[in-house]
Amino acid sequence: AQSVAQPEDQVNVAEGNPLTVKCTYSVSGNPYLFWYVQYPNRGLQFLLKYITGDNLVKGSYGFEAEFNKSQTSFHLKKPSALVSDSALYFCAVRDWAGGGADGLTFGKGTHLIIQP
Amino acid sequence: DAGVTQSPTHLIKTRGQQVTLRCSPKSGHDTVSWYQQALGQGPQFIFQYYEEEERQRGNFPDRFSGHQFPNYSSELNVNALLLGDSALYLCASSRDRGLQPQHFGDGTRLSIL
Repeated sequence: AQSVAQPEDQVNVAEGNPLTVKCTYSVSGNPYLFWYVQYPNRGLQFLLKYITGDNLVKGSYGFEAEFNKSQTSFHLKKPSALVSDSALYFCAVRDWAGGGADGLTFGKGTHLIIQP
Repeated sequence: DAGVTQSPTHLIKTRGQQVTLRCSPKSGHDTVSWYQQALGQGPQFIFQYYEEEERQRGNFPDRFSGHQFPNYSSELNVNALLLGDSALYLCASSRDRGLQPQHFGDGTRLSIL
């Protein structure tokens, strides 16, 4: 079975400072990892994905994520936070070894609050 | 280029009733997945449809069923509604049986009284 843990319910960062939202995962095979963002009363928007290759993945809106296989982590980062980055962030995983139609397993989400 | 569209946006039902939610995938997408997002939680996978067949199912009872049509649109049906079925129901579409990133609609907010 696959699982995702987001250990922080909320992360507070001052505008202009770097931000990190943590995610750890568990899969039986190779992971296929995603970050999504959700604004109030909206669906999820795709930010970035990792399947193979470089451990540092660049995505939308200046976000990036670092894949660490030994620590089974996929932390979301941004060098300089904007107030508009305030939202609910979800990490998700699926087992790449599945090869077929697999649903995503999501973490519980982390509220990111950027203070002006 | 329209994204994933879901209807209705809000729905109120009473316990024991049945409900049908609808989803039109993003243009070019052939795979539709349904998720349930309870308040304060992450989305939970219900099932996925590809080529008009249910390909995988999450840990949801048989009261939850679905359908995919030849134009790739999909329906989610829930029978014998319970108070615990109150949630945001999200539809996501993708290409290549989910190997590409899933694109989500804004969801249907279902409230059970």
